[in-house]
Amino acid sequence: GAGVSQSPRYKVAKRGQDVALRCDPISGHVSLFWYQQALGQGPEFLTYFQNEAQLDKSGLPSDRFFAERPEGSVSTLKIQRTQQEDSAVYLCASSTLGGVETQYFGPGTRLLVL
Amino acid sequence: GQQLNQSPQSMFIQEGEDVSMNCTSSSIFNTWLWYKQDPGEGPVLLIALYKAGELTSNGRLTAQFGITRKDSFLNISASIPSDVGIYFCAGRTLTGANSKLTFGKGITLSVRP
Repeated sequence: GAGVSQSPRYKVAKRGQDVALRCDPISGHVSLFWYQQALGQGPEFLTYFQNEAQLDKSGLPSDRFFAERPEGSVSTLKIQRTQQEDSAVYLCASSTLGGVETQYFGPGTRLLVL
Repeated sequence: GQQLNQSPQSMFIQEGEDVSMNCTSSSIFNTWLWYKQDPGEGPVLLIALYKAGELTSNGRLTAQFGITRKDSFLNISASIPSDVGIYFCAGRTLTGANSKLTFGKGITLSVRP
């Protein structure tokens, strides 16, 4: 596709369930970022991949959050034992390199934990 | 987490008016960016600024990178209804190969026809 795609677009989970959110970056983009956007807030950095290597996971809020990008393309953000405070929009962005190039954002996955 | 300061939270203007938005930080950034987000979509880059003091235009948009590297402003001239949306500033500090962005809380712009 022409842009970054994310699936599902909406996810409702019961507290304690595990969820997996998928990101398909723009083809050929080396860098991939995950951000969390709470209601009424700006996006906050979660983690960064360069190809398959996770170079920065300093923004992951707890060890319940795990991200992977095994083949350097598609990435999955997994949240185990979801809590209500995990409710947010999860945005994925990709760019050609990890430096100054533009980050292109996907539409996000809106997660609601009940 | 750290966020940049944007205020007010909402702005209401008349179609055709100019509007200016400010963004400040306690930290220095190497790059300042302005994004617009429409409901249900991800942020879209409007303007990127790479040097302190830089003034850049993109159509009706003009943005400046503050001399101190701790602030930036965005100006929209002759507003139109499609300018409605949430405007975020973002700063970037290169850490090795990582160029993660730090965002402000955003300003919701409403344009009255």
